[in-house]
Amino acid sequence: GAGVSQSPSNKVTEKGKDVELRCDPISGHTALYWYRQSLGQGLEFLIYFQGNSAPDKSGLPSDRFSAERTGGSVSTLTIQRTQQEDSAVYLCASSLNRIGQETQYFGPGTRLLVL
Amino acid sequence: GDSVTQMEGPVTLSEEAFLTINCTYTATGYPSLFWYVQYPGEGLQLLLKATKADDKGSNKGFEATYRKETTSFHLEKGSVQVSDSAVYFCALGGSYIPTFGRGTSLIVHP
Repeated sequence: GAGVSQSPSNKVTEKGKDVELRCDPISGHTALYWYRQSLGQGLEFLIYFQGNSAPDKSGLPSDRFSAERTGGSVSTLTIQRTQQEDSAVYLCASSLNRIGQETQYFGPGTRLLVL
Repeated sequence: GDSVTQMEGPVTLSEEAFLTINCTYTATGYPSLFWYVQYPGEGLQLLLKATKADDKGSNKGFEATYRKETTSFHLEKGSVQVSDSAVYFCALGGSYIPTFGRGTSLIVHP
């Protein structure tokens, strides 16, 4: 069956531009997560959704970052006025339900480079 | 809050050597524990998990036992292969958000 997909796979942008990253979770998975992976670093948790709701947005690095999920399925992570330090791989994962306790299925990631 | 600490890498071994990657955690409640693996050029995938104390997760020759008394979930394999070269992440899944360690790079030489 289809796994988690993310688009684009690579994105190069200029500093100050806005970017939008998309995640398609596994069908039927109610929980969705966004992470950031920088070179040589671990996974930095950004935000999670249970259904369409994001109960805690405190993991987002700044107010330039926002995320939404519609129809309990597709999610978009938007970064406004990108900065060079935003360069990283952005990973999306989904799980069947129940935040935290269940296996997460990861997408291949979007590699973002801000020039 | 919850946290995961795993040994820093890279860990460099010869083929058929014994592997241990240490992982300890702090958490409230009764979390599930996971090891994820990221092979070069690929996304993260689940390697094994354990959902309660004394459970042993195993997969592809890797094992880890959920030790509540020592708050540990060390990853072991008796004989590593070149194809095991990857980055390994220990993770904790509590009632709240998942928490990942920083990852340990394993390099296996022929």
